[in-house]
Amino acid sequence: GDSVTQMEGPVTLSEEAFLTINCTYTATGYPSLFWYVQYPGEGLQLLLKATKADDKGSNKGFEATYRKETTSFHLEKGSVQVSDSAVYFCALNIQGAQKLVFGQGTRLTINP
Amino acid sequence: DGGITQSPKYLFRKEGQNVTLSCEQNLNHDAMYWYRQDPGQGLRLIYYSQIVNDFQKGDIAEGYSVSREKKESFPLTVTSAQKNPTAFYLCASSIQGTGYTFGSGTRLTVV
Repeated sequence: GDSVTQMEGPVTLSEEAFLTINCTYTATGYPSLFWYVQYPGEGLQLLLKATKADDKGSNKGFEATYRKETTSFHLEKGSVQVSDSAVYFCALNIQGAQKLVFGQGTRLTINP
Repeated sequence: DGGITQSPKYLFRKEGQNVTLSCEQNLNHDAMYWYRQDPGQGLRLIYYSQIVNDFQKGDIAEGYSVSREKKESFPLTVTSAQKNPTAFYLCASSIQGTGYTFGSGTRLTVV
């Protein structure tokens, strides 16, 4: 079945460090890929998305590129801030299906 | 502004009680979803509905029930048959071809 695997957390970095959170997927069709962010005590917010191979999603300094050859959608940011501390979820949905499949989430903590 | 409203934000349930969590959206989205999130874990799908008067079980539907009488509303009832209901419950909606919009969640605690 369709699935998403994220790098295990928690991840702790210092402010201004480079961030990578790995995400790989298994899908039978042609998925769209998403990153969501969850701040403490809140719901999830869409951070960025990509709908086809080689697309790059970007928002708030975060980027992720849809790599079909490696079935990956790694999240990156060049210089993290304390306010980036949150849980990050990678997700996919198959074209024509509205249901999203989520990874297990990666907790990120940024220290000043 | 359009969005999804979940209420209440915090809910306490006694053993053997049924409780209903509210989810309302004004985004005109066709599909709505309920997820359960346990501490340190990902999201697990409870139920989803793609159109009014129709819904399907997700991965962990036992002990839960839903209705979809109106496009805007998708309430979730946690029944006494759910043995471990303490969790954070998230409602979401979507329209074809887009990602989800989530509500801010309801934290349910059994006392």
